[in-house]
Amino acid sequence: QLQLQESGPGLVRPSETLSLTCTVSGGSISSSSYYWGWIRQPPGEGPEWIGSIYYTGTTYYNPSLKSRVTVSVDTSNNQFSLKLTSVTAADTAVYYCACQKGSSPLDYWGQGTLVTVSS
Amino acid sequence: EVVMTQSPATLSVSPGERATLSCRASQTVRSNLAWYQQKPGQAPRLLMFGASTRATGIPARFSGSGSGTEFTLTVSSLQSEDFAVYYCQEYNDWPQAFGQGTKLEIK
Repeated sequence: QLQLQESGPGLVRPSETLSLTCTVSGGSISSSSYYWGWIRQPPGEGPEWIGSIYYTGTTYYNPSLKSRVTVSVDTSNNQFSLKLTSVTAADTAVYYCACQKGSSPLDYWGQGTLVTVSS
Repeated sequence: EVVMTQSPATLSVSPGERATLSCRASQTVRSNLAWYQQKPGQAPRLLMFGASTRATGIPARFSGSGSGTEFTLTVSSLQSEDFAVYYCQEYNDWPQAFGQGTKLEIK
């Protein structure tokens, strides 16, 4: 049973970079056939898929965020990360890490972490 | 990019009654459609995948149907724990998309 846990700052200043890490337990990030992804959910809104990465390093991004997003994987620490640059108040949301197999739904989720963009 | 549209935004139903939630895709997603349930302060929980297959541990009162662009989630006899927000998500290709949700509330 995979378990995912987000970590990172809860407050980010406008124009700065949001950085989050997801630690995976219960399985190896590089030996399974999962895609590791990030989803966010602004207060009172539906979820928005941000991007995903396969352990080989192949990435997929939401076109609306692509110019500001980087998802990377650290197989040695069994973690993957999200960087979102030039943040504004519109980036305030609960950020979830999650995983899915190819052509499958998101079946394991972290508990989520609230990131507020404010000065 | 696929746009997912859910209706209605809010559905008021009495316990024990049937609830029907709809999800429409702007282009075909074949049967690559999932439903999630979300309660306050929790991550979404996978209910249904492949449009009509219940995830592990999901009660039989939940059923899904549809393919292509039109999908339905039905809860046959609402229990108190079923009142929550429901989201559909397509995973047919990248990028993936979620609907804006249907809030199922007690009437």
